[in-house]
Amino acid sequence: GAVVSQHPSWVICKSGTSVKIECRSLDFQATTMFWYRQFPKQSLMLMATSNEGSKATYEQGVEKDKFLINHASLTLSTLTVTSAHPEDSSFYICSAPTSGMKLTDTQYFGPGTRLTVL
Amino acid sequence: QKEVEQDPGPLSVPEGAIVSLNCTYSNSAFQYFMWYRQYSRKGPELLMYTYSSGNKEDGRFTAQVDKSSKYISLFIRDSQPSDSATYLCAMKRNQGGKLIFGQGTELSVKP
Repeated sequence: GAVVSQHPSWVICKSGTSVKIECRSLDFQATTMFWYRQFPKQSLMLMATSNEGSKATYEQGVEKDKFLINHASLTLSTLTVTSAHPEDSSFYICSAPTSGMKLTDTQYFGPGTRLTVL
Repeated sequence: QKEVEQDPGPLSVPEGAIVSLNCTYSNSAFQYFMWYRQYSRKGPELLMYTYSSGNKEDGRFTAQVDKSSKYISLFIRDSQPSDSATYLCAMKRNQGGKLIFGQGTELSVKP
């Protein structure tokens, strides 16, 4: 299957600082990537859709000024959590569909990034 | 009401048992159905995907879709301790690429 990587896998930061998380598609190009967050024992909640060369689309209730998304190339999307606070502590996961937005594409997930804000 | 409902479990079975995991959904527009397996502190791994009613088999796994009842299932035969994980159902409407996930069922297979 297709491979999606994330970096870092785990990050601890102080309250008020910004953290950047990278998501890369290693063996395919992804014009679209998705960012999710997951709290313990809960399902994945879609935060935003990252589109190469254009602005991200955010889900209702997600602060776009706090969670900055940049999809700079066909293999890289970044999520920056600005002015992080303890309530932002979560597991952040990206995914990418292998064939764009068609109905039959399959979506592959990265290994996730655990963010802990002190 | 959530669009996708999944019993969170936890579900504990002995090794070798047949496991049945289920999801129901409310939106008949969903056409593409997937099952993901997620180990603790890892990203979800795609197990099965299907877009038609009926059964699809892959090794010890069988995915079943009943669109008329808005009900999907994942069966695991001869379950192994390595199957212990959280299983997430996911589905997609006929437009766009957003996946809607169930809550996930935590499965534990005891040796």
